Amino acid sequence: AQSVTQPDIHITVSEGASLELRCNYSYGATPYLFWYVQSPGQGLQLLLKYFSGDTLVQGIKGFEAEFKRSQSSFNLRKPSVHWSDAAEYFCALSSQGGKLIFGQGTELSVKP
Amino acid sequence: DGGITQSPKYLFRKEGQNVTLSCEQNLNHDAMYWYRQDPGQGLRLIYYSQIVNDFQKGDIAEGYSVSREKKESFPLTVTSAQKNPTAFYLCASSISGRGETQYFGPGTRLLVL
Repeated sequence: AQSVTQPDIHITVSEGASLELRCNYSYGATPYLFWYVQSPGQGLQLLLKYFSGDTLVQGIKGFEAEFKRSQSSFNLRKPSVHWSDAAEYFCALSSQGGKLIFGQGTELSVKP
Repeated sequence: DGGITQSPKYLFRKEGQNVTLSCEQNLNHDAMYWYRQDPGQGLRLIYYSQIVNDFQKGDIAEGYSVSREKKESFPLTVTSAQKNPTAFYLCASSISGRGETQYFGPGTRLLVL
């Protein structure tokens, strides 16, 4: 079955610290993978995507993600977190017919 | 500016009432989607459409209906058969519906009176 798992429901980091949000997927072929960010009461904004090629993908706002086929993972990273990064983050994969399958989300809090 | 608009931002439904959520896009995208978001459950697909006058059920279509009479519009009706409609509803679109990036609107929050 196709699925996306984000093991961490809530993460708190200090401003300026590094960040890694975990995402694991289950899919029969090479998936199209996405990370979205959502501020409270808002829609989703695309941070980055992986379709093929280079497994290290750069996105907006200084985020990057690495696709690791052997681990079925697509973890999101940022070297130095800013207070404005506090939000909910969703990992998703594109399944047959273009439907997105989302993880449950990880809420990020940033301590001053 | 190209984008996706959803209205209203907040919507209140009385018991037994049908309500319609609007979604409009001016991105010239063929595919459009409706998702429901509940706390701690991520987003779940309600309906999607890859072309005008055609649409398919998603994972949680019961109690909802849609139409796609125009390329730029994909309204969602929450019917009285949907017993737990309180949620945040998000509309999205993509170029063709073949796995490329989906772009999201700002959402509508539906509350039951």
